[in-house]
Amino acid sequence: DIVVTQSPDSLAVSLGERATINCKSSQNLLWSSNNKTYLAWYQQKPGQPPRLLIYWASTRESGVPDRFTGSGSGTDFTLTINGLQAEDVAVYYCQEYFSTPYTFGQGTKVEAK
Amino acid sequence: QVQLVESGGNLVRPGGSLRLSCVGSGFIFSDFYMSWIRQAPGKGLEWLAYINSTSDITYYTDSVKGRFTISRDNAKNSVFLEMNNLRADDTAIYYCARAVRAGVGATNHWGQGTQVTVSS
Repeated sequence: DIVVTQSPDSLAVSLGERATINCKSSQNLLWSSNNKTYLAWYQQKPGQPPRLLIYWASTRESGVPDRFTGSGSGTDFTLTINGLQAEDVAVYYCQEYFSTPYTFGQGTKVEAK
Repeated sequence: QVQLVESGGNLVRPGGSLRLSCVGSGFIFSDFYMSWIRQAPGKGLEWLAYINSTSDITYYTDSVKGRFTISRDNAKNSVFLEMNNLRADDTAIYYCARAVRAGVGATNHWGQGTQVTVSS
């Protein structure tokens, strides 16, 4: 099974500043036959189900603000929140969907400083 | 709009069984792969299983393989999770989720979840 590890486990960022979350996969998530990278990012607020933010490592889901950016390739990925808003306080998860089981990272809690 | 509604969660004794249901609306249910994902209290997300649109492909994570069965009824816009031989560590909120599209394991629509508690 692919192991997905996020860092840090938590971070506190001032409102308006940048938050950066890292995700590392134990295997390359690029499928060479279609040149697509099988990595997604989710946001989960307390008492709510997760919300898809990014898939194919960098494709923003419809309705997601452009302050959320996914980047990276191969085994190393980043979710960047440019200009943290109060409503962005949440836990963020990355997930590989390259091969089953579609493993999630352990989550990164983002708080406002 | 797309909606997924789970039901069937309950308090059950260790070794018992439950059948979870999820009804979808607002989209052509038969066009989409469906997944079940769970979240234990205070913990992260655990992907459990998925089923393709025609029910001929299913996958499970090892922790539930042989105990849980995913199925669907496209005529009823429903996906199910049959859970047998339940253990205390199966206690979680269980979510059904819809894939972005065929061939994409990421899920862009989730239900609100149904609580399963396994305890004597």
